[in-house]
Amino acid sequence: GQNIDQPTEMTATEGAIVQINCTYQTSGFNGLFWYQQHAGEAPTFLSYNVLDGLEEKGRFSSFLSRSKGYSYLLLKELQMKDSASYLCAVRVGYSNYQLIWGAGTKLIIKP
Amino acid sequence: GAGVSQSPSNKVTEKGKDVELRCDPISGHTALYWYRQSLGQGLEFLIYFQGNSAPDKSGLPSDRFSAERTGGSVSTLTIQRTQQEDSAVYLCASSLRIQETQYFGPGTRLLVL
Repeated sequence: GQNIDQPTEMTATEGAIVQINCTYQTSGFNGLFWYQQHAGEAPTFLSYNVLDGLEEKGRFSSFLSRSKGYSYLLLKELQMKDSASYLCAVRVGYSNYQLIWGAGTKLIIKP
Repeated sequence: GAGVSQSPSNKVTEKGKDVELRCDPISGHTALYWYRQSLGQGLEFLIYFQGNSAPDKSGLPSDRFSAERTGGSVSTLTIQRTQQEDSAVYLCASSLRIQETQYFGPGTRLLVL
């Protein structure tokens, strides 16, 4: 079967750093996405990893290890507006369009 | 430019009624996806359209669910004889081509009483 695991909820302090982990067991792998979703809003694209290593984009970085079936999203210099759910999704399948989604990690930022 | 739009934003219906949900993808995007998001669950793939190809309906949970895409643009998701377990947020996404990043609409929150 297909399985993606993320922590349900995390709490962090404004200005700090937080790492959100995602582990996956899927029948195939052709890339991993991170999306941000504020309450009541649409998911918005954050990052995409297909090769091992770290991708940095401003305050956000994403890491992938295909051999371990593991990724993390690193958020630096946390701001209150970063309070949201963070969704991990893996592209699988021969057609290369189907995404398997984790349930998301709700990140709460405290002052 | 305009993003993906969906209507209605909220829909309350009675069990057994039919509902239609609409999605307007980003202009020029050839791929369109429907997902369902239930509280505390990951996004559940429903159906995928790519250009003029036959849609991938493998994610539709039952034959009460159907979708069409007219003229390669606007899509309608229809749920017949709604059940309470159909209550969820229905999200539409589009991408420029297959394998490209998916951009989501704001969703339709469906509540079946």
